[in-house]
Formats: sequence, structure tokens, C-alpha cells
Amino acid sequence: EVQLVESGGGLVQPGGSLRLSCATSGFTFSDYVMSWVRQAPGRGLEWVSSISSRGGNTYYTDSVKGRFTISRDASKSTLYLQLNSLRAEDTAVYFCAKHQWEQYYYMDVWGKGTTVTFSS
Amino acid sequence: QPALTQPASVSGSPGQSITISCTGTSSDIGGYNFVSWYQHHQHHPGTGPKLIVYDVSNRPSGVSNRFSGSKSGNTASLTISGLQAEDEGIYYCSSYTSSSTLLLFGGGTKLTVL
Repeated sequence: EVQLVESGGGLVQPGGSLRLSCATSGFTFSDYVMSWVRQAPGRGLEWVSSISSRGGNTYYTDSVKGRFTISRDASKSTLYLQLNSLRAEDTAVYFCAKHQWEQYYYMDVWGKGTTVTFSS
Repeated sequence: QPALTQPASVSGSPGQSITISCTGTSSDIGGYNFVSWYQHHQHHPGTGPKLIVYDVSNRPSGVSNRFSGSKSGNTASLTISGLQAEDEGIYYCSSYTSSSTLLLFGGGTKLTVL
């Protein structure tokens, strides 16, 4: 069974940092594109970032460029999202999602999410 | 403001059919056949969205054939036939885009089964 388990969320202050992790199992991690998608309180889903299967290509939504970094560790079958210079609008549930093979167009398995909460 | 426009809510009685629209532009929905739909059960906190349609009209294995997708011009649609109580939730459309954003989502449509 394919499983994605996020962790690393928490309470952060303005300008703070966090590293989110997504531990995966049940599939060959290095064969698939992976993404992070977030949902702010009371809002819809927002694509945040994607990374190619081997990690050579990364993509970000404009609002997080230069602040967030997506990465992956094939030896640990784990996806990461480093969040720096955090802002109030980054408060959200962050979902890890697996794509089907090498395409970037849709995610076929999602985790349960980890929550990033902004503290003033 | 979400990039793709969906109605905020729809409702229907058990057994009926409903359709949810998702409107974009020629740079996303209208330009590519890479529209997907996701179901998110808000009454099960701590669960992630579930893929129910991809590439406009394809269903993943295990998804009921009561769910069907289509597209015309810049608007995609999700139709759910034979509504069941378990279909309640929030439905999101998504599309690949030629902009730097890569993927767009709609604002979500809350489905209520009366």
C-alpha cells in the first residue's frame, strides 16, 4: 500500500523557518514526481512546489520562490520542504502528494497533511 | 482569488445527478487536456484529497463510474450520477498551466446530498 506521512509542522514566528518531511512507502520513490500542496484556513488547495523524480528539476509557485526549497532523499524515500522567511499567509495544512510516474499534471496519492501555524 | 472558477456549492438528492463546472482560460483548461478533479472529505479531518478524474475524463482504478469528467473550451465539468450520501465533500478541479505556476486549482465546490 502506498503511504505518505507528513511531519514537521508547528508554530512559527514571523521570519522563522521549518522543515517539513514526507516519509513514503509502498512504491519506488525515485521513479515518481512529487509535490507539496497547501490549504490555508477556510481556503482551497494551492499548489506550492514540485520536484522531478531524480530531483534535478524543481518548480515553485511565485509566492514562495526564494523562500521555500523542495528536495528529496532517495535513500530515505523522503520528500522535504524547507520553509524560510515565513509569513502569516504561509499558515496552512501542507500536503505531500505523489504524481503518477514522470508527469506533473495530477497527483494520485496524498498524505494527511501537516499544519504550519503562524504565531504573532 | 483562485485561478480556476468553481461554484461555491451544489446540492442534490440521493439518486440524482449533479454537475460541477470549472472555468479557466486558454492558457490552462482550454489549452491542455490535463484537467483533474479531487474529492476532499471535510468531515474526516486529517485526510488528504482523493483523485477521482485525471486527464479530463479518465478515472483511476477503484473510482466509481458514477463520476465522469468532460471539457468544452475553457470550461471543465465533473458529473456525479446516482448521488449517494458518501459523495458529500468538497470537490476541487485542477489544471496544468503554461504559466510559471505549473498547476492551478479551483476554489472548491461543497457538495451537499440532501
